[in-house]
Amino acid sequence: EDQVTQSPEALRLQEGESSSLNCSYTVSGLRGLFWYRQDPGKGPEFLFTLYSAGEEKEKERLKATLTKKESFLHITAPKPEDSATYLCAVPPDLGGYNKLIFGAGTRLAVHP
Amino acid sequence: DTAVSQTPKYLVTQMGNDKSIKCEQNLGHDTMYWYKQDSKKFLKIMFSYNNKELIINETVPNRFSPKSPDKAHLNLHINSLELGDSAVYFCASSSSKGSMTGELFFGEGSRLTVL
Repeated sequence: EDQVTQSPEALRLQEGESSSLNCSYTVSGLRGLFWYRQDPGKGPEFLFTLYSAGEEKEKERLKATLTKKESFLHITAPKPEDSATYLCAVPPDLGGYNKLIFGAGTRLAVHP
Repeated sequence: DTAVSQTPKYLVTQMGNDKSIKCEQNLGHDTMYWYKQDSKKFLKIMFSYNNKELIINETVPNRFSPKSPDKAHLNLHINSLELGDSAVYFCASSSSKGSMTGELFFGEGSRLTVL
């Protein structure tokens, strides 16, 4: 069964303390990996799409990278407003892009 | 203007009742979805519609019946509610391009609690 695993489950950082979140997947033919941010009580908000190993995307303090079996979301000098749950998702091996498989997310808390 | 709006935001009901959740998107997208987020926070696809046509129906009990009266609206009706139906239900939409780039636009969710 296709799976997406995210680690750690929760991460607490001090403001300015850089770190990385991990997303690993078991689909054999990756057709894209997608990162989302979810604030409490809100729906997920799209951040990035990565398609091939070595690809990188950046947005403000966030940088997403992709290898053959996992993706990292690097957070540089985070601020309290970066606190959220970060989700990654992939389309399954069988089936279209319309049925994404999501990981359980990493809950990030950034303290001043 | 909210891009994807769902109502109601909260539902609390008794087992055995029937309830509906409504969703509307004003983004002009062709594809709409229902996702369920359970207590472990996994988001799982339930249904997807493209231009009012059902294209994904993921082993969901037939107590759940989606309806898309037009491509801007997708509703979810749930019959004979069970305790295990308690979850947050998210509506989402995407353009044809967005479906391939993984760019879905989600509503704020409807938290269903079955007592």
